[in-house]
Amino acid sequence: GAGVSQTPSNKVTEKGKYVELRCDPISGHTALYWYRQSLGQGPEFLIYFQGTGAADDSGLPNDRFFAVRPEGSVSTLKIQRTERGDSAVYLCASSSDGYGYTFGSGTRLTVV
Amino acid sequence: AQTVTQSQPEMSVQEAETVTLSCTYDTSESDYYLFWYKQPPSRQMILVIRQEAYKQQNATENRFSVNFQKAAKSFSLKISDSQLGDAAMYFCAYRSVTGANSKLTFGKGITLSVRP
Repeated sequence: GAGVSQTPSNKVTEKGKYVELRCDPISGHTALYWYRQSLGQGPEFLIYFQGTGAADDSGLPNDRFFAVRPEGSVSTLKIQRTERGDSAVYLCASSSDGYGYTFGSGTRLTVV
Repeated sequence: AQTVTQSQPEMSVQEAETVTLSCTYDTSESDYYLFWYKQPPSRQMILVIRQEAYKQQNATENRFSVNFQKAAKSFSLKISDSQLGDAAMYFCAYRSVTGANSKLTFGKGITLSVRP
């Protein structure tokens, strides 16, 4: 597609539930990044994929968070046993060269 | 680890005037990239300008220019002839050139309002 697509745009879930957030990058972009942006803060790095593999997952806050990119294109961020502190905007970005990034419009996750 | 600091939470400018947004960073690296991103209410991060640390010349992109002071680790953004559409959050970001990870490290951002 022409841009990075993230679905859903907004997600409300109950505390303790499991959620999946999807990112569809620009076709051909081998690098894909997930960031989390809490209210009033800048985006914080979560995980970086180069192709199908997670090259750096040092930003994942704990083992409730997991991400996959099985075919080197679409990526899914998975959050188990959601907590109210997980409420944030989750941004995805892709890049072909690691210097020019295209961001999606994010998924706003609200845990109630 | 690198850090990016944006100490001004909010700024306001009159339409057609000039405004400067401040950013400082901390790093032990000699080569890196710095970015300014704009985030409107749509949430999508839009690149405003990029500076490569090894280039002494300040980057310019139409009404947007930077004042890059490498020794002081300062990277401010100047917006000339401000327009109503410039109102948004602005984030300063750092990208290392060493290692395999091309992630961005962002500051907390600044909210810019433009008065008509």
